[in-house]
Amino acid sequence: AQSVTQLGSHVSVSEGALVLLRCNYSSSVPPYLFWYVQYPNQGLQLLLKYTSAATLVKGINGFEAEFKKSETSFHLTKPSAHMSDAAEYFCAVSEPGNQFYFGTGTSLTVIP
Amino acid sequence: EAGVAQSPRYKIIEKRQSVAFWCNPISGHATLYWYQQILGQGPKLLIQFQNNGVVDDSQLPKDRFSAERLKGVDSTLKIQPAKLEDSAVYLCASSLEAGVNSPLHFGNGTRLTVT
Repeated sequence: AQSVTQLGSHVSVSEGALVLLRCNYSSSVPPYLFWYVQYPNQGLQLLLKYTSAATLVKGINGFEAEFKKSETSFHLTKPSAHMSDAAEYFCAVSEPGNQFYFGTGTSLTVIP
Repeated sequence: EAGVAQSPRYKIIEKRQSVAFWCNPISGHATLYWYQQILGQGPKLLIQFQNNGVVDDSQLPKDRFSAERLKGVDSTLKIQPAKLEDSAVYLCASSLEAGVNSPLHFGNGTRLTVT
């Protein structure tokens, strides 16, 4: 079975600073990896996905993530945080049968 | 395109009562999922449908939870009787197909409070 670990349940950054949200996965086969964002009282929205093409994936709202097989990581970054980025972020991995496994989430706070 | 629709948005019930949630997926999406999201945790899959058949219900507490997708379109999730620990947000999601790289599209969820 695959699993996802998100390091840091809460991350705070200053507005304009680099955002780095960590995600590590375990998998015996090449995985498909996703980042989702959840704003208060809303469902999850897809930010980006990795599907074995380019290892650097660009998503919406200026976010990107890099797949590093050697580190089994798929960290999410954004060069400059904006107040509107404050939300909960979930990393997810999928396996054959389209079963998605979500991490426990990282709450991002942006300090003005 | 219209997103995944869920109703109600909020529901408060007493323990041992029953409750039902409704979901209408994006048109043309064959796969439908129900997730339970407890406060502070990631979504946990309860059940996955492919058209009107169940693909995975291994984590569904079948003694109290049931779900159906009779015509392969909309779906209902029922809890009877509810327990305090069922308080959570219930998310419905759909995807175009059951391929591993087909992303999920989520509704806004139903927040259930059991008192």
